[in-house]
Amino acid sequence: DAGVIQSPRHEVTEMGQEVTLRCKPISGHNSLFWYRQTMMRGLELLIYFNNNVPIDDSGMPEDRFSAKMPNASFSTLKIQPSEPRDSAVYFCASSRLASYNEQFFGPGTRLTVL
Amino acid sequence: QQQVKQSPQSLIVQKGGISIINCAYENTAFDYFPWYQQFPGKGPALLIAIRPDVSEKKEGRFTISFNKSAKQFSLHIMDSQPGDSATYFCAASVGETSGSRLTFGEGTQLTVNP
Repeated sequence: DAGVIQSPRHEVTEMGQEVTLRCKPISGHNSLFWYRQTMMRGLELLIYFNNNVPIDDSGMPEDRFSAKMPNASFSTLKIQPSEPRDSAVYFCASSRLASYNEQFFGPGTRLTVL
Repeated sequence: QQQVKQSPQSLIVQKGGISIINCAYENTAFDYFPWYQQFPGKGPALLIAIRPDVSEKKEGRFTISFNKSAKQFSLHIMDSQPGDSATYFCAASVGETSGSRLTFGEGTQLTVNP
């Protein structure tokens, strides 16, 4: 099993540009989570999907952030326009939709907004 | 209500010593308490987990102690090794209703000196 795949692994962009982060969950997993990790705020849940449907997006910082899951094998997190305070490591995780199941994290995307 | 408080923020232990990380929660509906381990440049990975029907769970050198009345749980790493140096996150969920969604603590950066 290839695990959760995220791309790109590193992204450097300038303030105001659009950024799209991509995630491929583990095959057979039907819950998908997007997290942001910073030194100041730790690991924050941004949004999660069950069976491709967004369940809770209360962690999305503001309207500049959007996430989609068009099918069971692909999800995107988009920031438009990006700002320096968005600089962080963004993780995608997936799991089987069932109680007490382990979340499997991807390697993360390190985003730097100049 | 949904927060999980973790301490200490950082911990330095000598090789062979015991590392202890503590977490406290408020939501009495939480019924699943995993610990995740994160190495630099990697995503978090499940280390060990406990349900509140037991007060302790041990896997090798790692032990979770759970105190339901105090709403606290802790991770003990016996015979700590330099390879244990990582960031540790406690987490909690209401497994029956939230599936695999987790609320994470702030994280503890553990350094084990040789």
